[in-house]
Amino acid sequence: DGGITQSPKYLFRKEGQNVTLSCEQNLNHDAMYWYRQDPGQGLRLIYYSQIVNDFQKGDIAEGYSVSREKKESFPLTVTSAQKNPTAFYLCATRTGNEKLFFGSGTQLSVL
Amino acid sequence: QKEVEQDPGPLSVPEGAIVSLNCTYSNSAFQYFMWYRQYSRKGPELLMYTYSSGNKEDGRFTAQVDKSSKYISLFIRDSQPSDSATYLCAMSVRRDDKIIFGKGTRLHILP
Repeated sequence: DGGITQSPKYLFRKEGQNVTLSCEQNLNHDAMYWYRQDPGQGLRLIYYSQIVNDFQKGDIAEGYSVSREKKESFPLTVTSAQKNPTAFYLCATRTGNEKLFFGSGTQLSVL
Repeated sequence: QKEVEQDPGPLSVPEGAIVSLNCTYSNSAFQYFMWYRQYSRKGPELLMYTYSSGNKEDGRFTAQVDKSSKYISLFIRDSQPSDSATYLCAMSVRRDDKIIFGKGTRLHILP
């Protein structure tokens, strides 16, 4: 069953805590992306990676970190430096013909 | 002026009506245009992908691009309650370029 799997579906962060959101894909797509979505806002790009072991900052990278050690996985860490982390986080992959496909999302909330 | 403008709605229409969703944009270099449908707390799903001007039809959905007016539309015929969702327009200059998203229009189809 091909697709993009994000986990967990819901995540809670305590003050000063780092949390990691998982994104796994078995579509064999090279490029992977992390977006943040706030109510009434569009999708804002956090980080993206076009190839293993390489990634670039998006528009709102501060307070976030990523790694891309293998093609299938692109985890996002929300660090304690991100003061307003409550949002819906979306992982996406991009095909060879450049279409963007999304996972089902992770809702992060602060306790 | 924002690069992509989209009325947030909500837009409420009776079942069976034709729905018209629209976006305007400021960057005349955009060539690739997309429409995504997003159900509540789910990832966006690619509905339509078009290049340059003209119309593209897929079942009950028609995407229209008017580059001279910097205006794109998505028409939904014979609307169903299951069409109730948020619709996001998106566009890019090149196939592999950064994708810019509108904020989305919330659509309610009334039974």
